[in-house]
Amino acid sequence: NAGVTQTPKFRILKIGQSMTLQCTQDMNHNYMYWYRQDPGMGLKLIYYSVGAGITDKGEVPNGYNVSRSTTEDFPLRLELAAPSQTSVYFCASTFTGPPWTEAFFGQGTRLTVV
Amino acid sequence: AQTVTQSQPEMSVQEAETVTLSCTYDTSESDYYLFWYKQPPSRQMILVIRQEAYKQQNATENRFSVNFQKAAKSFSLKISDSQLGDAAMYFCAYRSATGANSKLTFGKGITLSVRP
Repeated sequence: NAGVTQTPKFRILKIGQSMTLQCTQDMNHNYMYWYRQDPGMGLKLIYYSVGAGITDKGEVPNGYNVSRSTTEDFPLRLELAAPSQTSVYFCASTFTGPPWTEAFFGQGTRLTVV
Repeated sequence: AQTVTQSQPEMSVQEAETVTLSCTYDTSESDYYLFWYKQPPSRQMILVIRQEAYKQQNATENRFSVNFQKAAKSFSLKISDSQLGDAAMYFCAYRSATGANSKLTFGKGITLSVRP
């Protein structure tokens, strides 16, 4: 199984540009999450989804948008990139069962906005 | 809202010794899950151990064990016989067991260094 796949692994954006971070999982998990991790800090929840067609805001949603048209995919859209969005982004998924599982993470995307 | 607190930003342990990482959480729920994740320099998030709140027995996984105190809302991780490969950032995390609210909430993490 591939698990959770994130692309790209690295990206440099100019201020004001837009981009989409892709996330896909092949475990048929219902829950998916997007987090950001600033240097030396913990993970902050940006958005999450409880299933296809349903999304909700986390702690730090401003400047981001998401969609969940399928169970497998949960892309994160950055509009008008700002230096404050420089961070490492993680996608994760889990199943809320039963049986329940822990969250599985992608390998992260390091984004730099200059 | 649930919160997870890791008050120690850094800890250090001698190789082969034992270290305990602290975590407290706040919730009004009775059924939930707790996790410890390890993040090495590769950035990959790796599950170390998990605990179901309804289980009184503390979880163990080889050299890793937890001290789960439900009434005190405390969930510490003990690493025995520390190895150089244990050096990493460790995160404590909480997730509700009710399907309607399964946000996964993390603490700020603790950086563990292992001295040879």
